[in-house]
Amino acid sequence: DQQVKQNSPSLSVQEGRISILNCDYTNSMFDYFLWYKKYPAEGPTFLISISSIKDKNEDGRFTVFLNKSAKHLSLHIVPSQPGDSAVYFCAASSRLIQGAQKLVFGQGTRLTINP
Amino acid sequence: DTGVSQDPRHKITKRGQNVTFRCDPISEHNRLYWYRQTLGQGPEFLTYFQNEAQLEKSRLLSDRFSAERPKGSFSTLEIQRTEQGDSAMYLCASSFGASNIYGYTFGSGTRLTVV
Repeated sequence: DQQVKQNSPSLSVQEGRISILNCDYTNSMFDYFLWYKKYPAEGPTFLISISSIKDKNEDGRFTVFLNKSAKHLSLHIVPSQPGDSAVYFCAASSRLIQGAQKLVFGQGTRLTINP
Repeated sequence: DTGVSQDPRHKITKRGQNVTFRCDPISEHNRLYWYRQTLGQGPEFLTYFQNEAQLEKSRLLSDRFSAERPKGSFSTLEIQRTEQGDSAMYLCASSFGASNIYGYTFGSGTRLTVV
């Protein structure tokens, strides 16, 4: 069963505009949500996270919103830049033994920023 | 320290052969994870080590897979009697402390192709 879903495989946005990437989850026991960015031939790179007790977290051009009642989160990138073109993964965190975290990933959304 | 290193970057093997991958985590990180990513999907959790102890294994890790982390430093992932369904990107990640806030640091992965 897919506990974390990203329903848009791709998104194309004009440079300078806002990019909005969406993610839905099913398990209310997840305690953190994270966004990763992945370039070809590289591993995923951590971008931003949000605790399940918050509804917004902001870091520079990146803001993550969490709507717990809808089990939905979104990543906003403003303004979008060509270097933002990558695959973005939403991930949800659940606890493993001794405080470690297991990440459950969505399928990813390929974001393309057009000049 | 330049991050998490994985070797080899690419591996092509014939069905039925054994393969072994190596991961060198960031030196001060005590937690090490293996994930697998197939085409069009997000990474999926395979196993977790805290120091040298393997504390969690996914049901995805069949008895043909074995992972070790001797002395709590580098880790190896071995696949015996490879099958075409094992073709994937194998990602290693490491963390220290509150990884739920900052996420893991992933390596660039080993891409396995079974022919």
